[in-house]
Amino acid sequence: ETGVTQSPTHLIKTRGQQVTLRCSSQSGHNTVSWYQQALGQGPQFIFQYYREEENGRGNFPPRFSGLQFPNYSSELNVNALELDDSALYLCASSLSSLETQYFGPGTRLLVL
Amino acid sequence: KNEVEQSPQNLTAQEGEFITINCSYSVGISALHWLQQHPGGGIVSLFMLSSGKKKHGRLIATINIQEKHSSLHITASHPRDSAVYICAVRGSGGSNYKLTFGKGTLLTVNP
Repeated sequence: ETGVTQSPTHLIKTRGQQVTLRCSSQSGHNTVSWYQQALGQGPQFIFQYYREEENGRGNFPPRFSGLQFPNYSSELNVNALELDDSALYLCASSLSSLETQYFGPGTRLLVL
Repeated sequence: KNEVEQSPQNLTAQEGEFITINCSYSVGISALHWLQQHPGGGIVSLFMLSSGKKKHGRLIATINIQEKHSSLHITASHPRDSAVYICAVRGSGGSNYKLTFGKGTLLTVNP
């Protein structure tokens, strides 16, 4: 059974650019959640997708958007990057929003 | 005030000691999670509980719904237990898709 994978592992961008982060869910999981974790903080919920539809969203601006594909892999897109977007971005997959979430290793984004 | 508060923020112990990490929350929840995060970022789910107590190996998690409080205990601690331990709550009702996290407790176990 393959676990949750994310790509890339590290990324450096400049302010104003756009970025796409990718997540491959654990086999059989139809729900994926994305989180932002700033240094020294706990993760913050960005949004959740269930069967290709957004299922819920946290307090993040519209420039944070996502997609979930028919194979349940997922993308997080961030437009007009700001310095404060520098963080570890985690995705987690689960059988449903009520089940245990399995986390990927994260993508560390640095915005200069 | 954060919806999920953990204490202590940092904890240093000697190998073999009994460890307790506390979590208090201020909102209605449908479940509470304890997670472990190692340096480099990877997060592992340890427990998901909505009442009572769960045990897995040397780890024990308890929750008191009335008092809105949970504890994570580690018996016979070992240096490999060194990590950040994070408490997260899942909302109730229409917010049950969302996890809200505490800031974490950094545990260092010295040999």
